[in-house]
Amino acid sequence: RKEVEQDPGPFNVPEGATVAFNCTYSNSASQSFFWYRQDCRKEPKLLMSVYSSGNEDGRFTAQLNRASQYISLLIRDSKLSDSATYLCVVNSQDSSYKLIFGSGTRLLVRP
Amino acid sequence: ETGVTQTPRHLVMGMTNKKSLKCEQHLGHNAMYWYKQSAKKPLELMFVYSLEERVENNSVPSRFSPECPNSSHLFLHLHTLQPEDSALYLCASSHPTSGRTDTQYFGPGTRLTVL
Repeated sequence: RKEVEQDPGPFNVPEGATVAFNCTYSNSASQSFFWYRQDCRKEPKLLMSVYSSGNEDGRFTAQLNRASQYISLLIRDSKLSDSATYLCVVNSQDSSYKLIFGSGTRLLVRP
Repeated sequence: ETGVTQTPRHLVMGMTNKKSLKCEQHLGHNAMYWYKQSAKKPLELMFVYSLEERVENNSVPSRFSPECPNSSHLFLHLHTLQPEDSALYLCASSHPTSGRTDTQYFGPGTRLTVL
């Protein structure tokens, strides 16, 4: 089983739609969770950290479910500029420096 | 955004060449990382330096040799590479706090092609 698993997509949605991505992780002791965004041929950029209580940043909402070991990202009112690959990231228990990256979920927002 | 810079942005080299990738961070962080990203694969951690000491080395072939002369600079020296080493090489930095894995900030990457 992969340490971090994501549906690769692509998710193809119209502008204005609401879309949700899930990600599962294998290590129940993981403590730090993030969503990164990566545009085509660019570097990953932090979208948001994911906290136990869930958190919201504008149109983006992240949730953590420790019992089921998954995190989610909800995007409301999708914009064309949201088209990107969304990477689920979880810390490794092997090292305080190591992050485990998922392969990413690709989102395409069409006009 | 110039928090983490990398040069060159693109590099084409033959299998017998020697080249170096450079990374510089202006964020005051104390940890720096090299990652490899191949097509359709997740980021693979190669090396981690904390306070200029290597703390992680993920079974990377010896044809990749890192160097960290100070907390702001990181190099990746390349020699006798193989075509399968063609990938995007990303540098990142962070400021780990006690007991917590902190956010990593990435440079724009060097797109390497080995002929």
